[in-house]
Amino acid sequence: GIQVEQSPPDLILQEGANSTLRCNFSDSVNNLQWFHQNPWGQLINLFYIPSGTKQNGRLSATTVATERYSLLYISSSQTTDSGVYFCAVDNYGQNFVFGPGTRLSVLP
Amino acid sequence: DSGVTQTPKHLITATGQRVTLRCSPRSGDLSVYWYQQSLDQGLQFLIHYYNGEERAKGNILERFSAQQFPDLHSELNLSSLELGDSALYFCASSASGGALNIQYFGAGTRLSVL
Repeated sequence: GIQVEQSPPDLILQEGANSTLRCNFSDSVNNLQWFHQNPWGQLINLFYIPSGTKQNGRLSATTVATERYSLLYISSSQTTDSGVYFCAVDNYGQNFVFGPGTRLSVLP
Repeated sequence: DSGVTQTPKHLITATGQRVTLRCSPRSGDLSVYWYQQSLDQGLQFLIHYYNGEERAKGNILERFSAQQFPDLHSELNLSSLELGDSALYFCASSASGGALNIQYFGAGTRLSVL
């Protein structure tokens, strides 16, 4: 099946810093979503981005489907950005395969 | 709020017991997916139902079963519980069953098996 890798596994930032999270996948995909899991465990949809670039406030994402990777950019990070960021991909329309996540800690 | 409702939020039970987790999808969504998040296995797909029928199975144990009812809510039944079943169980829904649909996740049910 499809494999999903994320890097870095852990990231510690000072408030106000920028960061880039990466997701690599082993096969072509029809669906890619980025999620933020907050400290309470809730999975929050950030982007649906099987290809192209999208922006939502301080967050943006780019997926280069032909090269099988996606990037999530967080600018001017805030303590509320802390948590785990997952990318998930779906290529057969059956289910998501999640990456292992990037744990982000934003320090005040 | 994703519009997907999961109950209960927390469940504490003993080994050997059976529990039922419930999921109500977003209004109009026909697909329901179940996922398990454990510390050692990460987020893993369990099963997918579309309009009442099983569409795909993932790493779901034989002790676990699910169904989707005519009103489209779904239940995940876990039986003969073991300590290793302690995890966060998520339900997600999407408009249809295809890969092009966005999946929206509920808040999860945290199961603790003692």
